[in-house]
Amino acid sequence: NAGVTQTPKFQVLKTGQSMTLQCAQDMNHEYMSWYRQDPGMGLRLIHYSVGAGITDQGEVPNGYNVSRSTTEDFPLRLLSAAPSQTSVYFCASSRTEDQPQHFGDGTRLSIL
Amino acid sequence: AQSVSQHNHHVILSEAASLELGCNYSYGGTVNLFWYVQYPGQHLQLLLKYFSGDPLVKGIKGFEAEFIKSKFSFNLRKPSVQWSDTAEYFCAVRDTGGFKTIFGAGTRLFVKA
Repeated sequence: NAGVTQTPKFQVLKTGQSMTLQCAQDMNHEYMSWYRQDPGMGLRLIHYSVGAGITDQGEVPNGYNVSRSTTEDFPLRLLSAAPSQTSVYFCASSRTEDQPQHFGDGTRLSIL
Repeated sequence: AQSVSQHNHHVILSEAASLELGCNYSYGGTVNLFWYVQYPGQHLQLLLKYFSGDPLVKGIKGFEAEFIKSKFSFNLRKPSVQWSDTAEYFCAVRDTGGFKTIFGAGTRLFVKA
Protein backbone atom coordinates (compact mmCIF):
# COMPACT_ATOMS: atom_id res chain seq x y z
CA ASN A 1 0.00 0.00 0.00
CA ALA A 2 1.90 3.06 -1.28
CA GLY A 3 -0.51 5.70 0.09
CA VAL A 4 -0.12 9.08 -1.60
CA THR A 5 2.68 9.26 -4.18
CA GLN A 6 3.98 12.53 -5.56
CA THR A 7 6.35 12.98 -8.46
CA PRO A 8 8.80 14.52 -9.01
CA LYS A 9 10.36 15.13 -5.58
CA PHE A 10 12.41 18.07 -6.85
CA GLN A 11 12.09 20.31 -9.88
CA VAL A 12 13.73 23.50 -11.12
CA LEU A 13 11.94 25.55 -13.76
CA LYS A 14 12.56 28.76 -15.61
CA THR A 15 10.03 31.55 -15.48
CA GLY A 16 7.33 30.99 -18.07
CA GLN A 17 7.74 27.23 -18.34
CA SER A 18 4.81 24.95 -17.68
CA MET A 19 4.80 21.65 -15.87
CA THR A 20 2.58 19.12 -14.15
CA LEU A 21 3.03 17.82 -10.64
CA GLN A 22 1.71 14.31 -10.33
CA CYS A 23 -0.25 12.90 -7.41
CA ALA A 24 -1.62 9.39 -7.16
CA GLN A 25 -3.26 7.50 -4.31
CA ASP A 26 -4.09 3.82 -4.10
CA MET A 27 -6.52 3.96 -1.18
CA ASN A 28 -9.66 4.62 -3.25
CA HIS A 29 -10.06 7.99 -1.54
CA GLU A 30 -12.68 10.31 -2.97
CA TYR A 31 -11.27 13.53 -1.57
CA MET A 32 -7.95 14.97 -2.75
CA SER A 33 -6.24 18.31 -2.24
CA TRP A 34 -3.20 20.27 -3.28
CA TYR A 35 -1.44 22.55 -0.81
CA ARG A 36 1.61 24.75 -1.00
CA GLN A 37 3.82 25.18 2.04
CA ASP A 38 5.74 28.40 2.46
CA PRO A 39 7.84 29.51 5.46
CA GLY A 40 5.74 31.27 8.07
CA MET A 41 2.50 30.68 6.17
CA GLY A 42 1.74 27.05 6.86
CA LEU A 43 -0.15 25.10 4.24
CA ARG A 44 -2.46 26.92 1.88
CA LEU A 45 -5.06 25.09 -0.13
CA ILE A 46 -4.70 25.50 -3.90
CA HIS A 47 -7.39 23.25 -5.33
CA TYR A 48 -9.32 20.26 -4.14
CA SER A 49 -11.55 17.53 -5.51
CA VAL A 50 -14.44 15.67 -3.94
CA GLY A 51 -14.50 12.93 -6.54
CA ALA A 52 -13.69 12.08 -10.14
CA GLY A 53 -14.78 14.88 -12.43
CA ILE A 54 -15.34 17.38 -9.59
CA THR A 55 -12.83 20.04 -8.61
CA ASP A 56 -13.00 23.37 -6.83
CA GLN A 57 -10.75 26.25 -5.89
CA GLY A 58 -9.04 26.67 -2.58
CA GLU A 59 -7.41 29.73 -1.02
CA VAL A 60 -4.71 30.36 -3.63
CA PRO A 61 -5.82 28.91 -6.99
CA ASN A 62 -4.40 31.52 -9.37
CA GLY A 63 -1.76 30.19 -11.75
CA TYR A 64 -2.73 26.56 -11.19
CA ASN A 65 -5.08 24.14 -12.91
CA VAL A 66 -6.28 20.73 -11.84
CA SER A 67 -8.33 17.90 -13.24
CA ARG A 68 -9.64 14.65 -11.80
CA SER A 69 -10.34 12.18 -14.55
CA THR A 70 -9.87 9.15 -12.27
CA THR A 71 -10.27 8.53 -8.54
CA GLU A 72 -6.57 7.72 -8.24
CA ASP A 73 -4.92 10.72 -9.92
CA PHE A 74 -5.05 14.43 -9.22
CA PRO A 75 -2.39 16.31 -11.22
CA LEU A 76 -1.56 19.96 -10.60
CA ARG A 77 -0.56 22.06 -13.59
CA LEU A 78 1.45 25.25 -13.52
CA LEU A 79 0.49 27.10 -16.66
CA SER A 80 3.32 29.66 -16.79
CA ALA A 81 5.69 29.34 -13.85
CA ALA A 82 6.53 32.44 -11.83
CA PRO A 83 9.14 32.88 -9.06
CA SER A 84 6.28 33.41 -6.59
CA GLN A 85 5.33 29.78 -7.15
CA THR A 86 8.60 28.56 -5.65
CA SER A 87 7.36 26.39 -2.81
CA VAL A 88 6.91 22.90 -1.48
CA TYR A 89 3.76 21.31 -2.81
CA PHE A 90 1.83 18.63 -0.93
CA CYS A 91 -0.94 16.43 -2.19
CA ALA A 92 -3.35 14.88 0.31
CA SER A 93 -6.31 12.52 0.22
CA SER A 94 -9.02 11.29 2.52
CA ARG A 95 -11.72 8.67 2.24
CA THR A 96 -14.56 10.93 3.24
CA GLU A 97 -14.91 14.62 3.92
CA ASP A 98 -14.77 14.17 7.68
CA GLN A 99 -11.72 11.91 7.83
CA PRO A 100 -8.16 13.15 8.37
CA GLN A 101 -6.01 13.57 5.31
CA HIS A 102 -3.08 11.43 4.23
CA PHE A 103 -0.21 13.45 2.81
CA GLY A 104 2.37 12.70 0.18
CA ASP A 105 6.08 13.39 0.63
CA GLY A 106 5.93 16.68 -1.23
CA THR A 107 7.47 18.22 -4.35
CA ARG A 108 10.07 20.94 -3.86
CA LEU A 109 9.73 23.34 -6.77
CA SER A 110 12.08 26.21 -7.57
CA ILE A 111 11.31 28.76 -10.26
CA LEU A 112 14.23 30.83 -11.48
CA ALA B 1 -13.56 33.51 6.11
CA GLN B 2 -11.97 30.86 8.26
CA SER B 3 -8.56 31.51 9.70
CA VAL B 4 -6.26 29.69 12.09
CA SER B 5 -3.73 31.40 14.33
CA GLN B 6 -0.86 29.62 16.00
CA HIS B 7 0.63 31.76 18.71
CA ASN B 8 4.26 30.74 18.53
CA HIS B 9 6.33 30.29 15.42
CA HIS B 10 9.32 28.82 17.25
CA VAL B 11 9.54 27.05 20.59
CA ILE B 12 12.71 25.71 22.19
CA LEU B 13 12.44 23.35 25.17
CA SER B 14 14.68 21.03 27.10
CA GLU B 15 13.81 17.36 27.37
CA ALA B 16 11.22 16.59 30.06
CA ALA B 17 9.79 20.10 29.91
CA SER B 18 6.05 20.49 29.45
CA LEU B 19 4.67 21.71 26.14
CA GLU B 20 1.66 23.78 25.24
CA LEU B 21 1.15 25.10 21.72
CA GLY B 22 -1.65 27.55 21.20
CA CYS B 23 -4.19 27.45 18.38
CA ASN B 24 -7.13 29.76 17.86
CA TYR B 25 -9.51 29.76 14.95
CA SER B 26 -12.15 32.08 13.64
CA TYR B 27 -15.29 30.51 12.32
CA GLY B 28 -18.85 30.79 13.49
CA GLY B 29 -20.08 27.34 12.65
CA THR B 30 -19.32 23.79 13.74
CA VAL B 31 -15.80 22.65 12.99
CA ASN B 32 -13.55 19.64 13.01
CA LEU B 33 -10.13 20.33 14.50
CA PHE B 34 -6.82 18.67 13.82
CA TRP B 35 -3.19 18.76 14.85
CA TYR B 36 -0.68 17.47 12.32
CA VAL B 37 3.04 16.97 12.86
CA GLN B 38 5.82 17.15 10.30
CA TYR B 39 9.10 15.58 11.37
CA PRO B 40 12.25 16.78 9.59
CA GLY B 41 12.28 15.53 6.02
CA GLN B 42 8.92 13.80 6.31
CA HIS B 43 5.37 14.50 5.25
CA LEU B 44 2.58 15.62 7.53
CA GLN B 45 1.04 13.04 9.82
CA LEU B 46 -2.10 13.26 11.92
CA LEU B 47 -1.39 13.72 15.61
CA LEU B 48 -4.95 13.95 16.88
CA LYS B 49 -8.39 15.17 15.91
CA TYR B 50 -11.56 16.47 17.48
CA PHE B 51 -14.94 15.95 15.88
CA SER B 52 -17.40 15.93 18.80
CA GLY B 53 -17.86 14.65 22.34
CA ASP B 54 -15.23 14.89 25.05
CA PRO B 55 -13.35 18.16 24.41
CA LEU B 56 -10.14 16.63 25.74
CA VAL B 57 -8.72 14.40 23.03
CA LYS B 58 -5.70 12.17 23.22
CA GLY B 59 -3.46 11.46 20.30
CA ILE B 60 -0.36 9.51 19.52
CA LYS B 61 2.95 9.76 21.37
CA GLY B 62 1.44 11.19 24.55
CA PHE B 63 -0.01 14.33 22.99
CA GLU B 64 -3.40 15.68 23.92
CA ALA B 65 -5.46 18.72 23.00
CA GLU B 66 -8.37 20.52 24.58
CA PHE B 67 -11.16 22.12 22.60
CA ILE B 68 -12.59 25.19 24.34
CA LYS B 69 -15.51 26.28 22.24
CA SER B 70 -16.04 29.59 24.05
CA LYS B 71 -12.46 30.59 23.33
CA PHE B 72 -12.30 29.13 19.82
CA SER B 73 -9.15 27.36 20.92
CA PHE B 74 -7.62 23.95 20.43
CA ASN B 75 -4.31 23.95 22.29
CA LEU B 76 -1.88 21.05 22.04
CA ARG B 77 -0.16 19.74 25.17
CA LYS B 78 2.38 17.17 26.23
CA PRO B 79 3.49 16.78 29.86
CA SER B 80 7.09 15.82 29.08
CA VAL B 81 8.71 16.31 25.69
CA GLN B 82 11.44 14.19 24.18
CA TRP B 83 14.20 15.03 21.73
CA SER B 84 12.27 13.01 19.13
CA ASP B 85 9.38 15.49 19.36
CA THR B 86 11.46 18.01 17.42
CA ALA B 87 9.20 18.81 14.48
CA GLU B 88 6.82 21.37 13.06
CA TYR B 89 3.26 21.27 14.36
CA PHE B 90 0.24 22.48 12.44
CA CYS B 91 -3.23 23.19 13.71
CA ALA B 92 -6.02 22.81 11.15
CA VAL B 93 -9.72 23.56 11.03
CA ARG B 94 -12.40 22.22 8.74
CA ASP B 95 -16.00 23.29 8.41
CA THR B 96 -18.15 20.24 9.13
CA GLY B 97 -20.35 21.13 6.20
CA GLY B 98 -17.52 21.08 3.70
CA PHE B 99 -14.11 19.72 2.89
CA LYS B 100 -11.82 22.74 2.83
CA THR B 101 -9.23 22.49 5.55
CA ILE B 102 -7.44 25.64 6.68
CA PHE B 103 -4.02 25.28 8.31
CA GLY B 104 -2.20 27.53 10.71
CA ALA B 105 1.26 28.83 9.93
CA GLY B 106 2.90 26.12 12.03
CA THR B 107 5.05 26.06 15.14
CA ARG B 108 8.59 24.76 14.94
CA LEU B 109 9.50 22.90 18.13
CA PHE B 110 13.11 22.16 18.94
CA VAL B 111 13.79 19.95 21.93
CA LYS B 112 17.30 20.05 23.37
CA ALA B 113 18.69 16.74 24.55
